[in-house]
Amino acid sequence: DVKVTQSSRYLVKRTGEKVFLECVQDMDHENMFWYRQDPGLGLRLIYFSYDVKMKEKGDIPEGYSVSREKKERFSLILESASTNQTSMYLCASRGGTYNEQFFGPGTRLTVL
Amino acid sequence: SQQGEEDPQALSIQEGENATMNCSYKTSINNLQWYRQNSGRGLVHLILIRSNEREKHSGRLRVTLDTSKKSSSLLITASRATDTASYFCATDKGWDNQGGKLIFGQGTELSVKP
Repeated sequence: DVKVTQSSRYLVKRTGEKVFLECVQDMDHENMFWYRQDPGLGLRLIYFSYDVKMKEKGDIPEGYSVSREKKERFSLILESASTNQTSMYLCASRGGTYNEQFFGPGTRLTVL
Repeated sequence: SQQGEEDPQALSIQEGENATMNCSYKTSINNLQWYRQNSGRGLVHLILIRSNEREKHSGRLRVTLDTSKKSSSLLITASRATDTASYFCATDKGWDNQGGKLIFGQGTELSVKP
């Protein structure tokens, strides 16, 4: 079974803090994604990566950066957390013969 | 705007009944994937149907795809209270200048009452 894990289920941070969200997949997938999900706005793509050290902006990259130093790990960084970044963050990994995409369990981030 | 649009937005049924959710999309696709999301959790991959397939089954799930109408349906038979969740479709246009992103609909909220 594909497994995508995220470092925390719940996280509470203060405004201005630097926040790291980690995601690890065990299927040797090349493609990894970070989304945020907010009520009424659906899933929105923040960043994605199709190879080690490669990254592409998604639909809402402002205020975020990412790092992909190893194939299995994709990190989302909030350089200076703000209250409007309070959200559910979902990591996904994609690959295989038919390009199935699998999600991690999500991190509920609250910025106070 | 979202490529996939689910219909209905919300559905409430009794346990044992069948639930049908529909998804429409706008452009040609390589495949379409369905997901389930329980409240506060991540998305669980249910099934992928390729553009050259018309129907696919997995347990109590049946997915159909009509590429001429640009639509798909997810049928859950003999529903259970544990099927209560949001269901999303996501379309895959394949690797293009948008990097092969999946496009998600807004989801259908299914409530199965015991």
